[in-house]
Amino acid sequence: GQQVMQIPQYQHVQEGEDFTTYCNSSTTLSNIQWYKQRPGGHPVFLIQLVKSGEVKKQKRLTFQFGEAKKNSSLHITATQTTDVGTYFCAGPGGGADGLTFGKGTHLIIQP
Amino acid sequence: DAGVIQSPRHEVTEMGQEVTLRCKPISGHDYLFWYRQTMMRGLELLIYFNNNVPIDDSGMPEDRFSAKMPNASFSTLKIQPSEPRDSAVYFCASSLVRDSPLHFGNGTRLTVT
Repeated sequence: GQQVMQIPQYQHVQEGEDFTTYCNSSTTLSNIQWYKQRPGGHPVFLIQLVKSGEVKKQKRLTFQFGEAKKNSSLHITATQTTDVGTYFCAGPGGGADGLTFGKGTHLIIQP
Repeated sequence: DAGVIQSPRHEVTEMGQEVTLRCKPISGHDYLFWYRQTMMRGLELLIYFNNNVPIDDSGMPEDRFSAKMPNASFSTLKIQPSEPRDSAVYFCASSLVRDSPLHFGNGTRLTVT
């Protein structure tokens, strides 16, 4: 079945440093979604990318969808303590409507 | 809208007992999903419904797990009998249409001793 891989699993940064997480799918995706989960919380939708090569920005967050629609990245500029959490990418499962989630990247910020 | 509502927030039970988790999706959403989250396996899709009809239950781990959606505003996930390895956070999520963003509930943290 379809697999969505994310790296790194954990990322420690100093506050103010940049952060990037990468997502790779074993199959071409019709779209990719990104979610953030705060410690003890539930996943919250951030953004959806649909077009090949698409780049979207949300303040300090930049999301990219690869040209082949098999990979994606999330980049955070100048991290803040409020960015702490786990960032997940998710893509449609092959032939099904449910989303397949990557294992997530845990972002830990040291003040 | 109040969002997706799950109950209970926490459930502690003994092995062998029946557990029922409940979910109220966002009104008007056509899709409802049940996910399980553990440290080892991450977020796993268990089953999902479209317009109250179960579409894909291939993620349900065993026959001990069952899910129902008797109407558009209510779904249950039942585990009978429960086992310690079922301990996890169970999330319910709903979406408006296919491929639209998922709205998650706060989850039920299940501990089976």
